[in-house]
Amino acid sequence: RKEVEQDPGPFNVPEGATVAFNCTYSNSASQSFFWYRQDCRKEPKLLMSVYSSGNEDGRFTAQLNRASQYISLLIRDSKLSDSATYLCVVNTVFSGSARQLTFGSGTQLTVLP
Amino acid sequence: NAGVTQTPKFQVLKTGQSMTLQCAQDMNHNSMYWYRQDPGMGLRLIYYSASEGTTDKGEVPNGYNVSRLNKREFSLRLESAAPSQTSVYFCASRPHPSTDTQYFGPGTRLTVL
Repeated sequence: RKEVEQDPGPFNVPEGATVAFNCTYSNSASQSFFWYRQDCRKEPKLLMSVYSSGNEDGRFTAQLNRASQYISLLIRDSKLSDSATYLCVVNTVFSGSARQLTFGSGTQLTVLP
Repeated sequence: NAGVTQTPKFQVLKTGQSMTLQCAQDMNHNSMYWYRQDPGMGLRLIYYSASEGTTDKGEVPNGYNVSRLNKREFSLRLESAAPSQTSVYFCASRPHPSTDTQYFGPGTRLTVL
């Protein structure tokens, strides 16, 4: 089983639509959770951190369910510029006490005019 | 403030050739990382350096070596390139142990023939 699993998509949605991405992680000891955005042939960039209480940043809402080991990202009122791959990222303990990031393979979103 | 820079942007090698990928950050970050990204897979950690003077293996270290030259620079060396090392390589840095957030360079696209 992969440590971080995401639906690869692609998700093709019209402008203005609401779209939700889901992610599950296998390591119950994970403590930090993130969504990164990656544009085609570019580097990943931090979109937002995910907190247990849920958090919102403009049109983006992230939720964490520790009991189910599940993370979600909701994008409201989709824009053309939201087209990208969204990476679910969790921290894991690796090689002793060092904490590292484990990346999902990403969910591809295309927002259509 | 250039952030994380990587050279070269593109490289084509023949099997058995060697090369070094360079990475530098000007944000005074302690930790630095090398990842590879292959189609349909998440970023996988090759090596990391928690602080100047230390390096450790990640998930996929075979065929690679690293050097943390100083706090700014972290290089990745392929001693004898193989076609399986065809990938996009990203360098990243992390500010300090209290945060798991990482910042990425623009990547190096490597093809091994």
